[in-house]
Amino acid sequence: KDQVFQPSTVASSEGAVVEIFCNHSVSNAYNFFWYLHFPGCAPRLLVKGSKPSQQGRYNMTYERFSSSLLILQVREADAAVYYCAGCPGNNRKLIWGLGTSLAVNP
Amino acid sequence: NAGVTQTPKFQVLKTGQSMTLQCAQDMNHNSMYWYRQDPGMGLRLIYYSASEGTTDKGEVPNGYNVSRLNKREFSLRLESAAPSQTSVYFCASSEAAGVFGAYEQYFGPGTRLTVT
Repeated sequence: KDQVFQPSTVASSEGAVVEIFCNHSVSNAYNFFWYLHFPGCAPRLLVKGSKPSQQGRYNMTYERFSSSLLILQVREADAAVYYCAGCPGNNRKLIWGLGTSLAVNP
Repeated sequence: NAGVTQTPKFQVLKTGQSMTLQCAQDMNHNSMYWYRQDPGMGLRLIYYSASEGTTDKGEVPNGYNVSRLNKREFSLRLESAAPSQTSVYFCASSEAAGVFGAYEQYFGPGTRLTVT
């Protein structure tokens, strides 16, 4: 069964680099996606791809069966839920992890 | 562009009542999805529509029905609401871009449903 695994919680201090790790057993996964979700808002894409990439303070690492999201200079306002998702082959569905809740200490 | 819109934003139902959640997208996307989000459970796919005229069950379809009314609109119906369907419901859409395409999904703001 295609699955994506990520930690349920991660804690960090303001100004640090925080890493959220994700690994999967998604068959023929070509792409990883990292989404940010604040309660009450629409989840939105941070970074995606089939190779390491960066969007502003967000870096994505990429291996065949894993990916990490690195948030540079983390702020209290970054406290939210971060979802990792993989796309199996040419299937339109994404396989989602359960989300990682990030806590940022001042 | 409004992106993905959902109505209503909030709804309270009594057990056994029915309702339809509406979703529309103006990005000319082929695929549309309905998710529910519960604490600790992440985003769980209820139904999806890969293209206009098709619908398929997701991970948790029981108790729900969907209609892909046209390319823009995808509705989710609860025929007889149960307390277990208390959740936040998200609609999303994406444009398939081929085998190596990145099927990025765009989400609506969600509907918070409470069933008492």
